[in-house]
Amino acid sequence: GQQLNQSPQSMFIQEGEDVSMNCTSSSIFNTWLWYKQDPGEGPVLLIALYKAGELTSNGRLTAQFGITRKDSFLNISASIPSDVGIYFCAGQLGRSNTGKLIFGQGTTLQVKP
Amino acid sequence: EAQVTQNPRYLITVTGKKLTVTCSQNMNHEYMSWYRQDPGLGLRQIYYSMNVEVTDKGDVPEGYKVSRKEKRNFPLILESPSPNQTSLYFCASSPGILARTPLHFGNGTRLTVT
Repeated sequence: GQQLNQSPQSMFIQEGEDVSMNCTSSSIFNTWLWYKQDPGEGPVLLIALYKAGELTSNGRLTAQFGITRKDSFLNISASIPSDVGIYFCAGQLGRSNTGKLIFGQGTTLQVKP
Repeated sequence: EAQVTQNPRYLITVTGKKLTVTCSQNMNHEYMSWYRQDPGLGLRQIYYSMNVEVTDKGDVPEGYKVSRKEKRNFPLILESPSPNQTSLYFCASSPGILARTPLHFGNGTRLTVT
């Protein structure tokens, strides 16, 4: 099936550092979503992007919908210990109004105090 | 409190013994979906439902069944579980058209098939 390639697979950083992760695909998407999963819980939506080029912030988080509609990135500024978790990108394919949502493989973030 | 509730949270079973994982949402959402999460593979969609009595296959439907007899419930059925179905399962729901109404996830069911 369709795939999203998310990188990096994992990151181990110092508290206070900035973080960047991205998702790419060979297909065009009409929606990009970024989720965070805390240990033992389900993913929770962080940011939703609906237009090519859109740049959206949520506190220390910033995400962008790539101009080509085939990629998206998520930045976290000044990381703190509670940023620890797994971050997933997800997308809905262009010209598609079905219920299929495709997830990336996830980026596991660890923050050292 | 608005939520998606899955049961059980943990389940250990043996190969071939039929099981059902229940999912219920109290938000009157039309859309519901099941995912499995495996290391290095992210979340993969098993089945989804756009409304009552409407279900469709996701990317990995083999070995699973679902039903949507009423809006609030969307059970996942494994008729004859196998060890490769050992995974972390998530149910999710959304108010309507998926692109504009992001998913609310349950807290997961960890299934082990021996």
